[in-house]
Amino acid sequence: KAGVTQTPRYLIKTRGQQVTLSCSPISGHRSVSWYQQTPGQGLQFLFEYFSETQRNKGNFPGRFSGRQFSNSRSEMNVSTLELGDSALYLCASRPGSGENSPLHFGNGTRLTVT
Amino acid sequence: ILNVEQSPQSLHVQEGDSTNFTCSFPSSNFYALHWYRWETAKSPEALFVMTLNGDEKKKGRISATLNTKEGYSYLYIKGSQPEDSATYLCAHHSGNTPLVFGKGTRLSVIA
Repeated sequence: KAGVTQTPRYLIKTRGQQVTLSCSPISGHRSVSWYQQTPGQGLQFLFEYFSETQRNKGNFPGRFSGRQFSNSRSEMNVSTLELGDSALYLCASRPGSGENSPLHFGNGTRLTVT
Repeated sequence: ILNVEQSPQSLHVQEGDSTNFTCSFPSSNFYALHWYRWETAKSPEALFVMTLNGDEKKKGRISATLNTKEGYSYLYIKGSQPEDSATYLCAHHSGNTPLVFGKGTRLSVIA
């Protein structure tokens, strides 16, 4: 079974631009979560989607948005990029909405904003 | 979102030593506690999902315990090996909140 796939792996953008990151979950997994990792910080929760509906949203500004498609693939978008948005963005999937199942993480997208 | 604290922040041990780290979380409205191992240049990998007070789980040389009443979990590694070098993350879930991660314990095992 293929794992969680995130594209692109690396991205360099300029302040003010926008970016879209993509995540393909494990086949059959309907829940997709996004996390941001910055140096010195733990994984900060961005959002969780289940069956195309946003179930939870973290404490991030409205510039961060996401969506999930009918095939469970998910995208997150960051508009008007700031230097502080430079981070590793991780996507994780699991079969359902139950919190007793572990997250399966992708390799992440490393975003650098200059 | 409630805080999850992990200690120590980093740890250096000799090969063959046993070690343990702590994860502290709010004890109210507990639902689940996850442990993940994150090796450099890889993605985080689930070790355990624990839900019951007093739960103990084991995977090879790694084991974990859970105390939901006092809000802590211990992760133990017996006979550490260089391949155990990684960051160990715990994450807590309560009620309808998403998984909240601690900042991790970075373990380095010196051969």
